[in-house]
Amino acid sequence: SQQGEEDPQALSIQEGENATMNCSYKTSINNLQWYRQNSGRGLVHLILIRSNEREKHSGRLRVTLDTSKKSSSLLITASRAADTASYFCATDNPLQGAQKLVFGQGTRLTINP
Amino acid sequence: GAVVSQHPSWVICKSGTSVKIECRSLDFQATTMFWYRQFPKQSLMLMATSNEGSKATYEQGVEKDKFLINHASLTLSTLTVTSAHPEDSSFYICSARVGRGSVEQYFGPGTRLTVT
Repeated sequence: SQQGEEDPQALSIQEGENATMNCSYKTSINNLQWYRQNSGRGLVHLILIRSNEREKHSGRLRVTLDTSKKSSSLLITASRAADTASYFCATDNPLQGAQKLVFGQGTRLTINP
Repeated sequence: GAVVSQHPSWVICKSGTSVKIECRSLDFQATTMFWYRQFPKQSLMLMATSNEGSKATYEQGVEKDKFLINHASLTLSTLTVTSAHPEDSSFYICSARVGRGSVEQYFGPGTRLTVT
């Protein structure tokens, strides 16, 4: 089964608002990554947070990681129409050699102009 | 940044035929490539891990005789869907790691396969 579960499955907000997406996972991890996918396209790597980190920033993105709760959140501030996409979290599993990524179900984000 | 390409970007084929999809790392050598499958509005499911010069490692439930993977060089991996059926219609995405110590994967743009 999927390692990561994300919520909400779909999120629709107005341009300029902040968007928050959550991801939960089941096993221990080395790191957690967030990816964006525009419709019918490949994935774009957004940010990686290691298991010993609690928060990371990149531009308008803020990621938090709570290993005790096995959860992460992605915050996009001051959203833009171009942020409309699906967002996936992905985790590795140290027991499987840390090579493979397991993706969450994804959150479909729509930014309304 | 690391760029991964896929060819073709979309393909339509008839049931029973075979289709080959190429995945290339354009500006780096990829010791490991991954093949994923994605159904509409769903997440990516890992199909197999492809290591250069060795046999691919398939995930549970993926038929290795149906989805043939070849990683002949450090910049090219191919996925061949043999005797395709309509249920094989999907979005196939490859990714590549820059090196053994690298955590990040760089994804190709995907290939849309439609089997009629």
